[in-house]
Amino acid sequence: AQSVTQPDIHITVSEGASLELRCNYSYGATPYLFWYVQSPGQGLQLLLKYFSGDTLVQGIKGFEAEFKRSQSSFNLRKPSVHWSDAAEYFCAVGTINTDKLIFGTGTRLQVFP
Amino acid sequence: GAGVSQSPSNKVTEKGKDVELRCDPISGHTALYWYRQSLGQGLEFLIYFQGNSAPDKSGLPSDRFSAERTGGSVSTLTIQRTQQEDSAVYLCASSLGDAVETQYFGPGTRLLVL
Repeated sequence: AQSVTQPDIHITVSEGASLELRCNYSYGATPYLFWYVQSPGQGLQLLLKYFSGDTLVQGIKGFEAEFKRSQSSFNLRKPSVHWSDAAEYFCAVGTINTDKLIFGTGTRLQVFP
Repeated sequence: GAGVSQSPSNKVTEKGKDVELRCDPISGHTALYWYRQSLGQGLEFLIYFQGNSAPDKSGLPSDRFSAERTGGSVSTLTIQRTQQEDSAVYLCASSLGDAVETQYFGPGTRLLVL
């Protein structure tokens, strides 16, 4: 069965610092991978997605993620964090056989000025 | 254009009562999904509609939970005889229907069962 692990429950960074949020997945075939962000009181917004092709994916708000098949990872990165990036981030995996998404438990990002 | 909307935004109910949660998907989106987000948990898939049919109900936690979709548009999630463990945020999403399509989420309904 597919699963997603986000090992970091809570991360705190200073504004302007770089960021990497970890995501590991378990799936037998090539997965479809997503990162969503949920700001307080808001719905989930898609940051980026990977289906095939270039393993480095660019998203909105300056985020990028790299698919590494050998490590079963899809880590999210941003070179310089802004205070407005404080939110909860969810990694998710989808499959070609079903349309539902399997989500990780999320990583809460706190940004200090 | 308009995004996914859900109503009510908040619902407080007493244990044992029935509740209905509504989702209005983005116009033209054939696929509709319900997820549940409990405190400290990730998002848990409940049910998926393609048009008016539900090919995947595997996530519904018990027979107290049911959902329907009419006219290929609005969907209602019904929880009968609510229990305290049903307290959560219920999220609806819609997409153009293919597995590769982005799912667009609504703001959710926060349900509290006393």
